[in-house]
Amino acid sequence: DVKVTQSSRYLVKRTGEKVFLECVQDMDHENMFWYRQDPGLGLRLIYFSYDVKMKEKGDIPEGYSVSREKKERFSLILESASTNQTSMYLCASSLSGARGYTFGSGTRLTVV
Amino acid sequence: GESVGLHLPTLSVQEGDNSIINCAYSNSASDYFIWYKQESGKGPQFIIDIRSNMDKRQGQRVTVLLNKTVKHLSLQIAATQPGDSAVYFCAEKGPGGYNKLIFGAGTRLAVHP
Repeated sequence: DVKVTQSSRYLVKRTGEKVFLECVQDMDHENMFWYRQDPGLGLRLIYFSYDVKMKEKGDIPEGYSVSREKKERFSLILESASTNQTSMYLCASSLSGARGYTFGSGTRLTVV
Repeated sequence: GESVGLHLPTLSVQEGDNSIINCAYSNSASDYFIWYKQESGKGPQFIIDIRSNMDKRQGQRVTVLLNKTVKHLSLQIAATQPGDSAVYFCAEKGPGGYNKLIFGAGTRLAVHP
């Protein structure tokens, strides 16, 4: 089974802090994605990556950046956390050409 | 997580009944569709998928129906069980480009004994 592991289930950070959310997958998937999930809004794509060191903006990239230095790891960075970034963050991965994603369990981030 | 189900449309069914969850998708050119299930505190899990050249696909206790004419997708769950209680999302993939899925807002399924 593919595993997508998000390093933290719950995080509480202060406004203005730099925040790193880590995601690791163990099945050599080319594609990795970061979504945020908010009540009533579904999943919204922040950034995705189709290869090492490659990244593409999703639908809501403002206030975020990403890093993919190794194929198995995709990091989401909040440069200066704000309260409107309080959310559930979901990482996913997939093979190129494959269709479905495998998701991690999510990181619930609260910015106070 | 626990708050995912708030503010969502909710379908309440009795244990043992059949459930039908509906989804309207946005892009008439989308060529692939998936249903995901998300239980409280977990990430979404794949249930079943369907390509645009099909109009029906069956799995174990689940059936997905695709009506491209009205851009409508449905998930049918037979003999609904308490373990089916979750939020269900449909997702679509447009043609070409990267493997980007677009997700619907979700429907919460509540199964009552």
